[in-house]
Amino acid sequence: DTGVSQNPRHKITKRGQNVTFRCDPISEHNRLYWYRQTLGQGPEFLTYFQNEAQLEKSRLLSDRFSAERPKGSFSTLEIQRTEQGDSAMYLCASRGSGGSMNTEAFFGQGTRLTVV
Amino acid sequence: AQSVTQLGSHVSVSEGALVLLRCNYSSSVPPYLFWYVQYPNQGLQLLLKYTSAATLVKGINGFEAEFKKSETSFHLTKPSAHMSDAAEYFCAVIFTDKLIFGTGTRLQVFP
Repeated sequence: DTGVSQNPRHKITKRGQNVTFRCDPISEHNRLYWYRQTLGQGPEFLTYFQNEAQLEKSRLLSDRFSAERPKGSFSTLEIQRTEQGDSAMYLCASRGSGGSMNTEAFFGQGTRLTVV
Repeated sequence: AQSVTQLGSHVSVSEGALVLLRCNYSSSVPPYLFWYVQYPNQGLQLLLKYTSAATLVKGINGFEAEFKKSETSFHLTKPSAHMSDAAEYFCAVIFTDKLIFGTGTRLQVFP
């Protein structure tokens, strides 16, 4: 297994366009997370899936953001009508289904979005 | 809600000097704590995690952290800094099955 994979690594888009990012988690991991990170800040939680069910969405996630995880495998994060404030690094992470609460999350390398 | 606070957004040390990165947590129950490292334009990599089996936790790259309940702290240390340690370091806590991160500390190492 090559770990968590995110595509694309970089995306430049014009304001108002829609963008979609993809995350492929570690295959046996049932939990998948999306975070947003801006310069000089820690990752901020956006949303979380357990298998195909979206269990939690942050209040940070406006109606322009939507995430899916069909069949509990890969996930997509779509941003509609992008704004300059959406420029950030979008990180995906996955965690295994072990019973321990301290199971660590494994992160992908992120997708850097620039809205011009 | 559980949270972590990282004191000091930037820390600078000389190569070979002690590294100390501070993290304090807020939790009404025993916390599950982690330290992650992030190199430029990369994702986050786990350094170590607190498992409650031992208060002193050893991680990768010579880092360790000590859980102190009386001080609600989980500070990260390394006896001797190396140039390759220059990166951003994040403390995190598990809350409702998700990681909540601190604001991070950027470590600079000077020759």
